[in-house]
Amino acid sequence: AQSVSQHNHHVILSEAASLELGCNYSYGGTVNLFWYVQYPGQHLQLLLKYFSGDPLVKGIKGFEAEFIKSKFSFNLRKPSVQWSDTAEYFCAVNIYNFNKFYFGSGTKLNVKP
Amino acid sequence: DAGVTQSPTHLIKTRGQHVTLRCSPISGHKSVSWYQQVLGQGPQFIFQYYEKEERGRGNFPDRFSARQFPNYSSELNVNALLLGDSALYLCASSPAGAGNEQFFGPGTRLTVL
Repeated sequence: AQSVSQHNHHVILSEAASLELGCNYSYGGTVNLFWYVQYPGQHLQLLLKYFSGDPLVKGIKGFEAEFIKSKFSFNLRKPSVQWSDTAEYFCAVNIYNFNKFYFGSGTKLNVKP
Repeated sequence: DAGVTQSPTHLIKTRGQHVTLRCSPISGHKSVSWYQQVLGQGPQFIFQYYEKEERGRGNFPDRFSARQFPNYSSELNVNALLLGDSALYLCASSPAGAGNEQFFGPGTRLTVL
């Protein structure tokens, strides 16, 4: 079965620290990749997506992610986090040919002011 | 524009009962997907419907079924409820089919006693 792995379940950072959240997937074919964020009390919302082209994609609020095909990875980064980035972050993979979507288990980020 | 709406917000059922959850997509969106999110886990893909046809199915038993109506709204039905069906059920809509950005609703919290 296909899977999406997020290595960090809970991350605690101080404001201005740099962030990198890992995401690996297990499917070798064509995929579309996403990072979603869920702020406390809010719906899941899209941070960024990768379909094709430049493997370094930029999203909202200063987030970016890099697709490394050889490593089956799509890590999320932000150079300097803010308290308002406190949320849960989910990596998701769409296996295009099979119309299936897989989410990772999520990473809870807590940014201390 | 209104976002994705789901009803009811909360629901309590007993084992063996049947439940119907409803979803209205964003206006103009033709695709609806359903997910189950158990506490502490990421969303698990159940179904995708596009233009009223099932286009994708996750690894859920036949007790789970869904349909999409001509106005693109959707219902998720679960028969013979089990305790393990207790979860947050999320609906997501997208403008087109596979691989597109999905917009999530607030979810329906189902508790099975």
